[in-house]
Amino acid sequence: EDQVTQSPEALRLQEGESSSLNCSYTVSGLRGLFWYRQDPGKGPEFLFTLYSAGEEKEKERLKATLTKKESFLHITAPKPEDSATYLCAVQRDNYGQNFVFGPGTRLSVLP
Amino acid sequence: ETGVTQTPRHLVMGMTNKKSLKCEQHLGHNAMYWYKQSAKKPLELMFVYSLEERVENNSVPSRFSPECPNSSHLFLHLHTLQPEDSALYLCASSQDTGGETQYFGPGTRLLVL
Repeated sequence: EDQVTQSPEALRLQEGESSSLNCSYTVSGLRGLFWYRQDPGKGPEFLFTLYSAGEEKEKERLKATLTKKESFLHITAPKPEDSATYLCAVQRDNYGQNFVFGPGTRLSVLP
Repeated sequence: ETGVTQTPRHLVMGMTNKKSLKCEQHLGHNAMYWYKQSAKKPLELMFVYSLEERVENNSVPSRFSPECPNSSHLFLHLHTLQPEDSALYLCASSQDTGGETQYFGPGTRLLVL
């Protein structure tokens, strides 16, 4: 059965304190791994798509990386506005319709 | 603004009411999705439509009834809901269903009394 786990469940950082969020997955034939950011009461906002091990994507203070078993979202020198829940999702190779989401990591960045 | 809109944004209904959620996408996509997001639980895929045809139904109770009249509009008809159905209902769209990024609307916060 496909599974996506995320750690930590919650993370509190001081402004400027870099860290990483983890997304571990077990899926037969990964088609893509997706990172989203979700603010309270809003829909998820797309950040990155990664398709193959070794791939990296960057956007402002965020950098996503992918291995065969996990993905990391690195946050460099975070700011309070980076506070949100970060979700990852995987899509299987031969079952394109179905995204499996992880439970998310709730990030708080304190000024 | 992602190009996916949902109405209403908030809804309170009794267990005997009938209501509908509406989703519209302005992205020219061919696939649309309904998700349920409950507190402390991952997003749960409910329905998938590709070119107005339902292609996925993840064992959703019949009190939820989707409708996709065209590739830009998606509805979720609700009737005789239970309090445990209270959640954030999210609509998403993607170009197609094969590995494409999904873009989400802001959601409808539903409370069933």
